[in-house]
Amino acid sequence: DTAVSQTPKYLVTQMGNDKSIKCEQNLGHDTMYWYKQDSKKFLKIMFSYNNKELIINETVPNRFSPKSPDKAHLNLHINSLELGDSAVYFCASSRGRGYEQYFGPGTRLTVT
Amino acid sequence: KNQVEQSPQSLIILEGKNCTLQCNYTVSPFSNLRWYKQDTGRGPVSLTIMTFSENTKSNGRYTATLDADTKQSSLHITASQLSDSASYICVVRLSGNTPLVFGKGTRLSVIA
Repeated sequence: DTAVSQTPKYLVTQMGNDKSIKCEQNLGHDTMYWYKQDSKKFLKIMFSYNNKELIINETVPNRFSPKSPDKAHLNLHINSLELGDSAVYFCASSRGRGYEQYFGPGTRLTVT
Repeated sequence: KNQVEQSPQSLIILEGKNCTLQCNYTVSPFSNLRWYKQDTGRGPVSLTIMTFSENTKSNGRYTATLDADTKQSSLHITASQLSDSASYICVVRLSGNTPLVFGKGTRLSVIA
């Protein structure tokens, strides 16, 4: 199946922990993104990578650190998790900047 | 400030009926406008992408219109089906290397 996949689908953890979310795309795309969707369903861009290079970094706390080992992967590591980090995190990819974005199924993160 | 406003916030219609969702934007300089459908628990899926020069674009029972002069777009759904129940998100892309600007979405519920 050609798609954008994320793991895990659900993540429940306690405040202060460190966790990672993985994203992989096998569409051959050059650009990958991380979005956060809060309880009000508003999607916000967090990061964008093009050919493993960071091109967009919105005002996200530095507890969030994306890592792109290759063009097909963009992982999100979060340190010292806080209650406000609870949200659904979506990974997406596109052929290049400005092209249609394909979204993964999302990772629901709950911080208790 | 670049903004995308959608109305109504939520909508309930009977199966088989038509409906129209609205999107107004103040984004400038404009590059293209997209409509996404997001089913509950899933990532957004692109329905249409329109550039400045396009007035209308169809995808099955979905027809999007764009008036770049008044900065308005609409998504018309014909002969609605239960599976149309989802959030519909209007997204505008500015020119240049900038992130997409998302609306907050319209939550559509189609009932039998």
